[in-house]
Amino acid sequence: EAQVTQNPRYLITVTGKKLTVTCSQNMNHEYMSWYRQDPGLGLRQIYYSMNVEATDKGDVPEGYKVSRKEKRNFPLILESPSPNQTSLYFCASSQTGGASQPQHFGDGTRLSIL
Amino acid sequence: GQNIDQPTEMTATEGAIVQINCTYQTSGFNGLFWYQQHAGEAPTFLSYNVLDGLEEKGRFSSFLSRSKGYSYLLLKELQMKDSASYLCAVRDPNSGNTPLVFGKGTRLSVIA
Repeated sequence: EAQVTQNPRYLITVTGKKLTVTCSQNMNHEYMSWYRQDPGLGLRQIYYSMNVEATDKGDVPEGYKVSRKEKRNFPLILESPSPNQTSLYFCASSQTGGASQPQHFGDGTRLSIL
Repeated sequence: GQNIDQPTEMTATEGAIVQINCTYQTSGFNGLFWYQQHAGEAPTFLSYNVLDGLEEKGRFSSFLSRSKGYSYLLLKELQMKDSASYLCAVRDPNSGNTPLVFGKGTRLSVIA
């Protein structure tokens, strides 16, 4: 089954404790992206990747890092999480970064930073 | 700058037709998407418009007018399972490689 898989689905942690949210897709997609979704603000892009070893900042990259060493994986790293990073996070992928390509979203990761 | 506007909430009756509007102001335009998102779940793709006109897909249709910066999603024969948020998103090629700018979404409640 074609899917985007994120782990963990839920995480409660404390300020300053490094964490990684993994994202993996099995569709051989070139383009991958991370979003955060907050009430009243909608989906905002954090980082995206056009292909392996090609990443770029989205609208809200501060406090986050990503890497794309393999085509299927695109982890999101919070080196020193803070409470304002409490949010619902979605990973997404598409065949390419082409304009008409719809993105396929993972089920989301609900992160609470205390 | 970029601005995408959608109504925050709408309510409609089961079996009826509802139109969800989206207006956008972006520096560039390379297509508009509609996504459906049930509460606590992932957004799922509904439609893509890049040329003016109406695209029909079953009970759902999407319309685009590029000159007016306007789109709508039309849902016919509403069912209770259509209760969800509907997200309008615009491709703006002037904002980086291939960013997708999302509106804040319209929460649709379908009532009996």
